[in-house]
Amino acid sequence: GAGVSQSPSNKVTEKGKDVELRCDPISGHTALYWYRQRLGQGLEFLIYFQGNSAPDKSGLPSDRFSAERTGESVSTLTIQRTQQEDSAVYLCASSLLQGETQYFGPGTRLLVL
Amino acid sequence: AQKITQTQPGMFVQEKEAVTLDCTYDTSDPSYGLFWYKQPSSGEMIFLIYQGSYDQQNATEGRYSLNFQKARKSANLVISASQLGDSAMYFCAMREASNTGKLIFGQGTTLQVKP
Repeated sequence: GAGVSQSPSNKVTEKGKDVELRCDPISGHTALYWYRQRLGQGLEFLIYFQGNSAPDKSGLPSDRFSAERTGESVSTLTIQRTQQEDSAVYLCASSLLQGETQYFGPGTRLLVL
Repeated sequence: AQKITQTQPGMFVQEKEAVTLDCTYDTSDPSYGLFWYKQPSSGEMIFLIYQGSYDQQNATEGRYSLNFQKARKSANLVISASQLGDSAMYFCAMREASNTGKLIFGQGTTLQVKP
């Protein structure tokens, strides 16, 4: 079946602009995660959605970052007033249930000029 | 404190030989899971292998095996019969049962397979 998809694959923006990143999880997967990967680094957890439960936002680095998920489908990660330090690859993952193996999308490469 | 430590920034291995990538972890949660992911230069994260903290046997998946030493808190990845396509970044990650299932990643090890 189809894997996790993300769009856009690449995004270049100017400092101060807002950006919206999209994630389509694997169909039927109830858990969805967003991670950030800076160049040459490991992944940092940002936010987690599980069904209708309140999301775990503990990894969001500032209030400029927010995310939504519609039911058990699409999620969008929004970064307001982008800064150069927001430049990174943003990866989305989904799993059938919380705690099970996470399968990753191809990521969105964000460059803030 | 670092929860996942990968001490080898870069490794080389000769094609067809075996290689071990090191990973140590730190948790007080009795229930946890350990994962290895491969990230080729194209950037996607590919799941390789999983070990649960209560699993009695070391996990194996084809040419991948996980050398799990619970008392030493280590979960090393062994790749047997290395292939050129194994050249990539490898990440060790941990999930704690008490922590919503999010993964905590190490800094990664870059593996280069020489022909």
